[in-house]
Amino acid sequence: SQQGEEDPQALSIQEGENATMNCSYKTSINNLQWYRQNSGRGLVHLILIRSNEREKHSGRLRVTLDTSKKSSSLLITASRAADTASYFCATETNDYKLSFGAGTTVTVRA
Amino acid sequence: DGGITQSPKYLFRKEGQNVTLSCEQNLNHDAMYWYRQDPGQGLRLIYYSQIVNDFQKGDIAEGYSVSREKKESFPLTVTSAQKNPTAFYLCASSGSEFNEKLFFGSGTQLSVL
Repeated sequence: SQQGEEDPQALSIQEGENATMNCSYKTSINNLQWYRQNSGRGLVHLILIRSNEREKHSGRLRVTLDTSKKSSSLLITASRAADTASYFCATETNDYKLSFGAGTTVTVRA
Repeated sequence: DGGITQSPKYLFRKEGQNVTLSCEQNLNHDAMYWYRQDPGQGLRLIYYSQIVNDFQKGDIAEGYSVSREKKESFPLTVTSAQKNPTAFYLCASSGSEFNEKLFFGSGTQLSVL
């Protein structure tokens, strides 16, 4: 099974609403990263949070990390149609391996 | 503009044929990576290189080969030994920190004829 797993697998929201997705992982990490992928394209790095950090913000994105629960959440506020994409978490474990989850597909309805 | 260029966008492989996917970056990044993405799954690491003339196997290296003769270039060859090559292949690079803030190319979709 994968190191990092996103939940839910898919999410459909109305434009202007917030979108929240979660990532759970199994072993201790150095950092956790979130990426976005538009259909048929490469991934784009969104935000990196280190194991000693609890929260980070970047524009409309807010990421939290709870190392005691081995989980992270990505919140997108005031969603737009352009936010429609798949979102992946990637965890770097202590042996410097980077593992990607299977992603959450977000659809923002106009 | 700085970035990573993958070519071709679509590639078809015949039985028993080797094919090479190109990846070029002008970001002056030391580390480069090749990932495979299958529908509904996460990315799996094929090979990575942290410096010119050196590369390491990832989790699914069997049936693939790479070279890193120049800093800018990291081509991937899918050999005939890879029995299930149909997938979306992504090349990435990273700067000062290995495994952090990867920049990705736009991918190559490889299909078997």
